[in-house]
Amino acid sequence: EDQVTQSPEALRLQEGESSSLNCSYTVSGLRGLFWYRQDPGKGPEFLFTLYSAGEEKEKERLKATLTKKESFLHITAPKPEDSATYLCAVDDSGAGSYQLTFGKGTKLSVIP
Amino acid sequence: GAGVSQTPSNKVTEKGKYVELRCDPISGHTALYWYRQSLGQGPEFLIYFQGTGAADDSGLPNDRFFAVRPEGSVSTLKIQRTERGDSAVYLCASSKQGLETQYFGPGTRLLVL
Repeated sequence: EDQVTQSPEALRLQEGESSSLNCSYTVSGLRGLFWYRQDPGKGPEFLFTLYSAGEEKEKERLKATLTKKESFLHITAPKPEDSATYLCAVDDSGAGSYQLTFGKGTKLSVIP
Repeated sequence: GAGVSQTPSNKVTEKGKYVELRCDPISGHTALYWYRQSLGQGPEFLIYFQGTGAADDSGLPNDRFFAVRPEGSVSTLKIQRTERGDSAVYLCASSKQGLETQYFGPGTRLLVL
């Protein structure tokens, strides 16, 4: 069973068409949930850290929220430059060390 | 400030050869991590250093993989007797300490022919 599941695998939006990406997770104890953006051929770029259910964080057109079972990344009025793969990762206290467990990502394409 | 740097950016080698991949973390970051990312997948954990010691190497797939961080800064991931299945992007990340945000480098793309 996957510990972190992201959906959809791919999402195609028109410029300005708001939507949400989902990350569902199963952990022994959540130390933190992380969102990263990854452009082709580049390393993951940090976006947000969420630590507890009910927490929300915003940056420009992005807003991340967290519940006890899942996190959402809301994208408001996206632009073509928001096109990238968005990765969700968890730091599970049951894993022992501070390793991150990642989902497979959602590939977002924003069409002008 | 400077981010995490990794060299080389690309490495092509032949099956059975030895390779070394280098990571230079953000200055002052005591925690360093190696991950491996295959096409269409998220990064998978390999090893975590706190200072000079490997605090968790549970993600290393077998004994052909080894990593060092002798002075608590730069780290080298070493792969012996490379196999075609080792082809992937090897990512390095660092954080101020464990339980802090991990910042990733650009990765080394390893291709084993």
